[in-house]
Amino acid sequence: ELKVEQNPLFLSMQEGKNYTIYCNYSTTSDRLYWYRQDPGKSLESLFVLLSNGAVKQEGRLMASLDTKARLSTLHITAAVHDLSATYFCAVEDAGNMLTFGGGTRLMVKP
Amino acid sequence: SAVISQKPSRDICQRGTSLTIQCQVDSQVTMMFWYRQQPGQSLTLIATANQGSEATYESGFVIDKFPISRPNLTFSTLTVSNMSPEDSSIYLCSVPGGGYEQYFGPGTRLTVT
Repeated sequence: ELKVEQNPLFLSMQEGKNYTIYCNYSTTSDRLYWYRQDPGKSLESLFVLLSNGAVKQEGRLMASLDTKARLSTLHITAAVHDLSATYFCAVEDAGNMLTFGGGTRLMVKP
Repeated sequence: SAVISQKPSRDICQRGTSLTIQCQVDSQVTMMFWYRQQPGQSLTLIATANQGSEATYESGFVIDKFPISRPNLTFSTLTVSNMSPEDSSIYLCSVPGGGYEQYFGPGTRLTVT
């Protein structure tokens, strides 16, 4: 059974600081997703990581994937208040189904 | 990209009743997925709905409680039957897209009183 663990589950940051969210998963997979969810909203796709060593960046967010370590990271650079949201990683199995991590609730304080 | 709509967007229902949630996609897709997000929690897959076959349910979810229909390649329904307050959740449908994306609908926020 595929298990996905995220940490931390809650993160309070000051604006301008850097931080990393970690996503570990238990079985081999070639696709890992990062989503953002604002309160009361659906999921917004941030990144799809398809191969070992993949790195993608969009604005202040950068995601990477190490399939050998079964680890993905979402790095936040110089956080701003607008990044406050819950971030989920999800791992896809052979049947296109996603198993989600527990989510990281990020609060960026001025 | 796929555009997904869901109806209703939210509802408040009484214990013991049933609610059917609709999911409409703007393109034909083979697979559709239904997820549940309980308050403050992550998403859990309920079932996979393929057109022309019975839905496949994940552990902890049964057809009598969550019957699913998939009459064509752009539409699916999920019914939450005999509801209890524990069924209060956001229910989301999802489809895989080209380019390895997975798209989610806007969700249906269900409150059971």
